[in-house]
Amino acid sequence: AQSVTQLDSQVPVFEEAPVELRCNYSSSVSVYLFWYVQYPNQGLQLLLKYLSGSTLVKGINGFEAEFNKSQTSFHLRKPSVHISDTAEYFCAVRETSGSRLTFGEGTQLTVNP
Amino acid sequence: DAGVIQSPRHEVTEMGQEVTLRCKPISGHNSLFWYRQTMMRGLELLIYFNNNVPIDDSGMPEDRFSAKMPNASFSTLKIQPSEPRDSAVYFCASSSIHRGANVQYFGAGTRLSVL
Repeated sequence: AQSVTQLDSQVPVFEEAPVELRCNYSSSVSVYLFWYVQYPNQGLQLLLKYLSGSTLVKGINGFEAEFNKSQTSFHLRKPSVHISDTAEYFCAVRETSGSRLTFGEGTQLTVNP
Repeated sequence: DAGVIQSPRHEVTEMGQEVTLRCKPISGHNSLFWYRQTMMRGLELLIYFNNNVPIDDSGMPEDRFSAKMPNASFSTLKIQPSEPRDSAVYFCASSSIHRGANVQYFGAGTRLSVL
């Protein structure tokens, strides 16, 4: 079985500042990793995914994440955030041979002017 | 591509009533997932189907909950009888086993309030 821990439940930042949302996972087998974003009163939207290859993955809206196998982490970063990035962000993991996604608890990113 | 379509978007009902939530997956997708989201428990997988067949329903809370997928383009999640603790946002997601590492795409959700 796999598990995901998002280390920060809330991250407040100022507009144009850099941000990092932390995610650690646990699994005994190979996994795929995902970040989803949820805007208020909406469903989850895929930001980016790591399947294989380069450990630095670029997604939509200027976000990127780096897969670190030795530290079992998949932190999400953006060099300069906008007000419109205010949302909840979910890290998720799935075994490469399975279908079930396991989600973290979510991190609420609030960008202040 | 219309995406995953859920209906209704909002449902308010009284305790004891039957509630039916509906989902139309993305055309061509062959896996379908039902999730529940609450403040207390976060996102929970209730059940998922592959090729219209239920594969894992271990997340279904109790016998009051049932899900069906009569064909590749439609699924329902039914709660009978409903209780106030069932109040949550219910999401449907779909994916293709054969494409894109089975990435799940989510609908906008149904916000259920049981009074």
